[in-house]
This record gives sequence, C-alpha cells and structure tokens, in this order.
Amino acid sequence: QQQVKQSPQSLIVQKGGISIINCAYENTAFDYFPWYQQFPGKGPALLIAIRPDVSEKKEGRFTISFNKSAKQFSLHIMDSQPGDSATYFCAATHKAAGNKLTFGGGTRVLVKP
Amino acid sequence: DTEVTQTPKHLVMGMTNKKSLKCEQHMGHRAMYWYKQKAKKPPELMFVYSYEKLSINESVPSRFSPECPNSSLLNLHLHALQPEDSALYLCASSQSSGGVQETQYFGPGTRLLVL
Repeated sequence: QQQVKQSPQSLIVQKGGISIINCAYENTAFDYFPWYQQFPGKGPALLIAIRPDVSEKKEGRFTISFNKSAKQFSLHIMDSQPGDSATYFCAATHKAAGNKLTFGGGTRVLVKP
Repeated sequence: DTEVTQTPKHLVMGMTNKKSLKCEQHMGHRAMYWYKQKAKKPPELMFVYSYEKLSINESVPSRFSPECPNSSLLNLHLHALQPEDSALYLCASSQSSGGVQETQYFGPGTRLLVL
C-alpha cells in the first residue's frame, strides 16, 4: 500500500530531447508528490512538486503531469541538457505520514551532448 | 540560506569502533531526519526528530543511536556496525514534520565504509 513504482531505471537522451520518467502509486491517501534530483556525491534536492488537485505543473523546463484516476504521475524534462544528467526520484506522502516520504526506485538520466 | 551541513564527508571504521556523524542546519527548521542510502537505491528513512524529540524510529538496529542536542544539531552515534551498514548517510531538515508540502532539505551526506 505504501509502494511507489518508478520507470525506467535508466534513460539516455540526446541534448535537446525530452526525458520522461513515470511513477505509479497504490495508496490513495497520498496527497503530495515531490520529485528530487540527485547528482553524484550530493544529497537529493527538491526539483518540483504537485498535489492531486492539479493535473499539470510547470517550472522552467520541468513539467509534472498527474493522473489521479490512474494513480500515475510523470516528470518531463524538456530541451534536456548535459547538466540534467542525474538520478531522479519521485516520492509521495500524506498528512498522516508526518512528512514521511515514500520514494520511487530512481531513474538515472544521462544526457548526451 | 537553505544549507544542511554534514561532517565528516567520508568515514572508515572497524566493526568495534564508535563514531558519530554530525548534521547542522540554521534555517530554523524544527524537524530533522536521518536517511540511509545504498548505491543506486532511494534514501531509506531511519529517524525523525520533531521539536527535538524522536518522533519516528523506522525499526533501526540499536547500533545506530540518534541524538538531537538542540534544534540546529542532529547526531548519529555508531557502534559495533556491520559491513552491510556501509552506505551514504543523509541528514535532512524541514520546517516541521506535521504538515504536508514541507520541503525536506538534504545535506551532502557522509559516505561510511565499515571494514
């Protein structure tokens, strides 16, 4: 019930292309869905987040799409740049969880010049 | 300043050693977290402190002992660790732990190797 499934595990995209990462969840109590970006040797950093009452959120080149009925959400990285090469984690939490994050398995993105 | 600092950056210890990891934040946050991260895996929550009190212990073995001396500091005391405890230990903080949509700010982590 607490699981968040993330795909793909890894992704290679050409510079300027679109990176798409998908996540699916089971627990309908989840009501906050953040995405974290982690570079090698660094801690995760919040990239963008969405609530289920919104179907899409865009911040610069990063867009989250949310499908509440399908219990799925995805991250789109437009015009991917080599500096976007990192591991991306989706996550989910809900009020009763006290801000405890349930993470997806992660996606390693490599953007080739 | 949205920085969480952790020391040391790297630590090598034997199974009989006692060591401590330190974490500090000056953002006025009242919730602090310890996570363990294995290679190519997501962070796993270990402990949560809320207003300097331990609020969540994710059934972590007693060889890991957290301490929150004040609202800015978080320690993780290590004793009699096993090689499988080798990992990146991440500290994080947030405004509080009771509300949703509160960003957790992570430190760079301490890379621990247990021999």
